[in-house]
Amino acid sequence: KQEVTQIPAALSVPEGENLVLNCSFTDSAIYNLQWFRQDPGKGLTSLLLIQSSQREQTSGRLNASLDKSSGRSTLYIAASQPGDSATYLCAVKGSEETSGSRLTFGEGTQLTVNP
Amino acid sequence: DGGITQSPKYLFRKEGQNVTLSCEQNLNHDAMYWYRQDPGQGLRLIYYSQIVNDFQKGDIAEGYSVSREKKESFPLTVTSAQKNPTAFYLCASSIDRDSQQYFGPGTRLTVT
Repeated sequence: KQEVTQIPAALSVPEGENLVLNCSFTDSAIYNLQWFRQDPGKGLTSLLLIQSSQREQTSGRLNASLDKSSGRSTLYIAASQPGDSATYLCAVKGSEETSGSRLTFGEGTQLTVNP
Repeated sequence: DGGITQSPKYLFRKEGQNVTLSCEQNLNHDAMYWYRQDPGQGLRLIYYSQIVNDFQKGDIAEGYSVSREKKESFPLTVTSAQKNPTAFYLCASSIDRDSQQYFGPGTRLTVT
């Protein structure tokens, strides 16, 4: 059964700092990996999706990398801003054979960027 | 204005009552999903549907039921058999089962 772990559970940084959020997964037979953002009491907003054949994806100040063989992904946020404060969730989509193409979520990293 | 809508945003029920959460999408997506989120936990899959008139149980389907009579709608009923129904419920949809999932704003259900 796929398990997804996110470290750290919470992170507090000063504005302007570059930071890295980590995601690890136990079964490397994945179809893709997604990073989401969730504001308090709200739904999820998709940030980046990396297909299993890709190594990284970039969108603005965000860069996500994927190392499938080691079961790891990182989300890099450059020049952090207070508006980046949210919970960041990592989700892995398994293959049809292993998990019926389901998304398995980590518990999230709660990020606070202080002005 | 395309998207996924969930209603209501907040829902309060007494223990022992069934309650139905609404999820509608106008994205023309075939696949739809229901997740449950508890404090400090990741999302857990309750039910999913890949096509109209078909749905499958997720990891925590006990005490829940769904229907998929229309492509746009995937309502979730929380029955009295669900032992701990208080949670944040999120609906999602995707073009097909392998594509990116898009999420609605969620419904917070409180059962007392």
